[in-house]
Amino acid sequence: NAGVTQTPKFQVLKTGQSMTLQCAQDMNHNSMYWYRQDPGMGLRLIYYSASEGTTDKGEVPNGYNVSRLNKREFSLRLESAAPSQTSVYFCASSRDGTGANVLTFGAGSRLTVL
Amino acid sequence: KQEVTQIPAALSVPEGENLVLNCSFTDSAIYNLQWFRQDPGKGLTSLLLIQSSQREQTSGRLNASLDKSSGRSTLYIAASQPGDSATYLCAVREVYNTDKLIFGTGTRLQVFP
Repeated sequence: NAGVTQTPKFQVLKTGQSMTLQCAQDMNHNSMYWYRQDPGMGLRLIYYSASEGTTDKGEVPNGYNVSRLNKREFSLRLESAAPSQTSVYFCASSRDGTGANVLTFGAGSRLTVL
Repeated sequence: KQEVTQIPAALSVPEGENLVLNCSFTDSAIYNLQWFRQDPGKGLTSLLLIQSSQREQTSGRLNASLDKSSGRSTLYIAASQPGDSATYLCAVREVYNTDKLIFGTGTRLQVFP
């Protein structure tokens, strides 16, 4: 079982460049999430998708866009990268958004913006 | 606004000790609480999920308790091993926004032989 797969694992960008982080899950989960993890700040929710066709803002959505392409895939796009977006990004999924189910996380994508 | 705090931020102990990791939250209106483990450079692995109506959950050498009224949870690790070395994070899900997990900043545990 692959679980949650994120690509790329590492990326270096220059300020102003754009990129998309890809996430796919093979567990037939309805809900998917994007978090960022910064030292001393824990994980913070960027965007989430409770089901295919819906997306909602989380705690820190500014500078990001998302697409729930289908039930399996949830991508995160940085249109114009800034050094403040240097972070480790995690995608996660759960069976549904009721809160009763555990989250399964991907291995993370480390992004550096110069 | 819900805030989740974990103390201590780091812990280094010899193998075999029994450990207690603490997690506190400011708003007791939670749906559930999860404990995760994160190995360096890796994603998070869910360890235990405690629903708000439960007092504790156990899995192997791990036991997590929840005292909702006082806003606290503890993760007890029995007979610690070097393989337990990792960062442990707790996260709460609020009653009125069950789509969102609010994470603590974690306790970095090192168990030395």
